[in-house]
Amino acid sequence: KAGVTQTPRYLIKTRGQQVTLSCSPISGHRSVSWYQQTPGQGLQFLFEYFSETQRNKGNFPGRFSGRQFSNSRSEMNVSTLELGDSALYLCASSSGTGDQPQHFGDGTRLSIL
Amino acid sequence: QKEVEQDPGPLSVPEGAIVSLNCTYSNSAFQYFMWYRQYSRKGPELLMYTYSSGNKEDGRFTAQVDKSSKYISLFIRDSQPSDSATYLCATQGGSEKLVFGKGTKLTVNP
Repeated sequence: KAGVTQTPRYLIKTRGQQVTLSCSPISGHRSVSWYQQTPGQGLQFLFEYFSETQRNKGNFPGRFSGRQFSNSRSEMNVSTLELGDSALYLCASSSGTGDQPQHFGDGTRLSIL
Repeated sequence: QKEVEQDPGPLSVPEGAIVSLNCTYSNSAFQYFMWYRQYSRKGPELLMYTYSSGNKEDGRFTAQVDKSSKYISLFIRDSQPSDSATYLCATQGGSEKLVFGKGTKLTVNP
């Protein structure tokens, strides 16, 4: 069974640009969650999508947004990039029932110049 | 007070040692407890997932949860150099939002 796949693995952008990251969940999983990982703050929850609807949201500004498609694949968008957005962005998938573990992809490393 | 506190280490042990990793949490609503292992340049890999207080064993790994004191532990027996990684504890309270500790970096020396 294929795991969670994230593309691209690495991205370099400049301040003010926008970026879109992609996540393909494990087959059969309907929930996709996104996390930001930085050395200072660790792993922080961005948002969760289930059946194409945002179900939970963390404490990030509106520049961070996402969506989920009917095949459960998800994208995350960050607009007007800031230097502080440099991080590893991780996607995790699960059944979405709240009592099953989440499985993570290897992330997209985003660097802002 | 952070929701999940984890000693960041780093922790360095000789091969074969027993390793103890610990976290405390503050929110009684947390129901599920996880340990993830993260190698450099990789995503977190699920090691243990538990709901109730008590011990759960999987090979060389034992997860322990004490809900009365809000304390979770991971024990690694007969540690190997391949266990060198960052270990993350995480909790979940009925939604899909995971709350993580900062992670403990472990090095097992041959």
